[in-house]
Amino acid sequence: GENVEQHPSTLSVQEGDSAVIKCTYSDSASNYFPWYKQELGKGPQLIIDIRSNVGEKKDQRIAVTLNKTAKHFSLHITETQPEDSAVYFCAASLGGSYIPTFGRGTSLIVHP
Amino acid sequence: GAGVSQSPSNKVTEKGKDVELRCDPISGHTALYWYRQRLGQGLEFLIYFQGNSAPDKSGLPSDRFSAERTGESVSTLTIQRTQQEDSAVYLCASSLDLGRTYEQYFGPGTRLTVT
Repeated sequence: GENVEQHPSTLSVQEGDSAVIKCTYSDSASNYFPWYKQELGKGPQLIIDIRSNVGEKKDQRIAVTLNKTAKHFSLHITETQPEDSAVYFCAASLGGSYIPTFGRGTSLIVHP
Repeated sequence: GAGVSQSPSNKVTEKGKDVELRCDPISGHTALYWYRQRLGQGLEFLIYFQGNSAPDKSGLPSDRFSAERTGESVSTLTIQRTQQEDSAVYLCASSLDLGRTYEQYFGPGTRLTVT
């Protein structure tokens, strides 16, 4: 089955800095890669996703890149703010009715 | 509209007792999913429902775990004879249908502590 590795497990940055979280996957057939943000005491929320037919997608301060050849994808957050502090999960899926496989999560701490 | 809700939000139980965790999905969502999240770990998929049917129960950790769904709405996850290793946050999610597993909306979770 699919295996998703996520790094780092913890990331501490100063407000205004950029943050990058990286994930690798094992199944070359995976074609959908969502990212979730989980705030304390809440369930994960989908914040951005990318499909295998594109290499980059942006939404305001967040962007995701995908390298299909290397089987890795990354989340980039620019101009970080304290409210970005949360646990971020990447996932990989074959799409459609296939259940995504999640990474172990990255705890992002943004210091004011 | 209302999101996915779960109850209770916290549950402390003694080892050996049975517990029931409840999930109310978004109205109209036919697919429902249960996950387990251990401290510092990712989301471990347990089981999904399409309507009231759960075609694949292989993700359940042991035969002490069971789940059901009625009326294509509320679902309950039951853990019998709880063990300390069952301590985790149990998350429920729903999506419009099974073809949209990528658009899952999660509830806040139930934090289960087995003492």
